[in-house]
Amino acid sequence: DIQMTQSPSSLSTSVGDRVTITCRASQSISNYLNWYQHKPGKAPNLLIYAASSLQSGVPSRFSGSGSGTDFTLTISSLQPEDFATYYCQQSSNTPYTFGQGTKLEIK
Amino acid sequence: EVQLVESGGGLVQPGGSLRLSCAASGFTVRSNYMSWVRQAPGKGLEWLSVIYVGGSTYYADSVKGRFTISKDNSKNTLYLQMDGLRPEDTAVYYCAKGSAVPGSYGRFDPWGQGTLVIVSS
Repeated sequence: DIQMTQSPSSLSTSVGDRVTITCRASQSISNYLNWYQHKPGKAPNLLIYAASSLQSGVPSRFSGSGSGTDFTLTISSLQPEDFATYYCQQSSNTPYTFGQGTKLEIK
Repeated sequence: EVQLVESGGGLVQPGGSLRLSCAASGFTVRSNYMSWVRQAPGKGLEWLSVIYVGGSTYYADSVKGRFTISKDNSKNTLYLQMDGLRPEDTAVYYCAKGSAVPGSYGRFDPWGQGTLVIVSS
């Protein structure tokens, strides 16, 4: 199975901050890497697919990069509605494993 | 509008069974790759199972042999039959539509709102 490791597990941030979350796969997954935002009581929401493609309707302050084993999600200027938990996930092979999540908290 | 609505969650005793349903609208489950994902209290997301367009199924080791994914194309509904339930299966269960792009069947959009399963005596 492919293991996905995210860092940090939590981040205390402020509105307007630039935020970077990293995700590492235990083996190469090419660009089969997706990022989701998850808020309590809501359905997870796809933000980025294929490592760097912005899902339709997602604000342009979200961006993704990377290939192979190392990936990054960047939020250029954090907005109040962005405080949530973010997950990376590989879709290269089953089981489609998720990272452990990164919780963004208000400083 | 593409939408998924789960149902069937509830309280069940250890060793018991439950069948979750996921009603799809705005697209057909027949032509799409469909998955189940869960989130235990205080934990992250865990992928459980996928059913391919052709009917092939795959499972996470944690549920293999206990859970069965299926679909009814006439009802446009996805199912998860859960047998031999354990307290550690307590979670919110989500269904999700996968991409039809080869290599991205595990790219999930959209997701349902989730249904809560509690396994306790």
